[in-house]
Amino acid sequence: GQQLNQSPQSMFIQEGEDVSMNCTSSSIFNTWLWYKQDPGEGPVLLIALYKAGELTSNGRLTAQFGITRKDSFLNISASIPSDVGIYFCAGRAGGTSYGKLTFGQGTILTVHP
Amino acid sequence: GAVVSQHPSRVICKSGTSVKIECRSLDFQATTMFWYRQFPKKSLMLMATSNEGSKATYEQGVEKDKFLINHASLTLSTLTVTSAHPEDSSFYICSARARPGAPATNEKLFFGSGTQLSVL
Repeated sequence: GQQLNQSPQSMFIQEGEDVSMNCTSSSIFNTWLWYKQDPGEGPVLLIALYKAGELTSNGRLTAQFGITRKDSFLNISASIPSDVGIYFCAGRAGGTSYGKLTFGQGTILTVHP
Repeated sequence: GAVVSQHPSRVICKSGTSVKIECRSLDFQATTMFWYRQFPKKSLMLMATSNEGSKATYEQGVEKDKFLINHASLTLSTLTVTSAHPEDSSFYICSARARPGAPATNEKLFFGSGTQLSVL
């Protein structure tokens, strides 16, 4: 089956620093999604990417859909304490927005004030 | 935005009992709902896909008699953990896929807030 490798597994940074995490896949995805999950909550969608090469921003967050369709990265600029949480990439192989998702292993982000 | 309500948020039960978890799409119709299981600080693992009015499709290794899924309407799916044991303790999350058209968003998949199941 499809596998997503997400790195790094965890990050410990100072407030104000920039953060970068990425996902690579063994196969092609047509959609890349980035989620944030707080403890005891469901994942919340941060950014959705639907085209190869697409670069999309959402406030301090920027994500890109790799040209090969096998990778994506998420950048967070000027981190703040509320950025703490687990970040997941997810890929969808279907040609529509209705296929099931494959999730990466997650990146645990800790921000020190 | 589209809201998926998952209930209960937390449940503690005795070993051997059954627990039902509900997943409702509050302001849209969901033709398909997905059920995930998540261990602490780990990824979401898809358990099954349920389509309204038909039998659920289970992922490899998931016991269908253990995890009963019912998707009786376009706004409700339920997961019942039967004869629960301590190893079933986990965080269960549902997601609902909206029908074409509504809501008018690019992304049609919406997640519930999860249910923490603890089996004593």
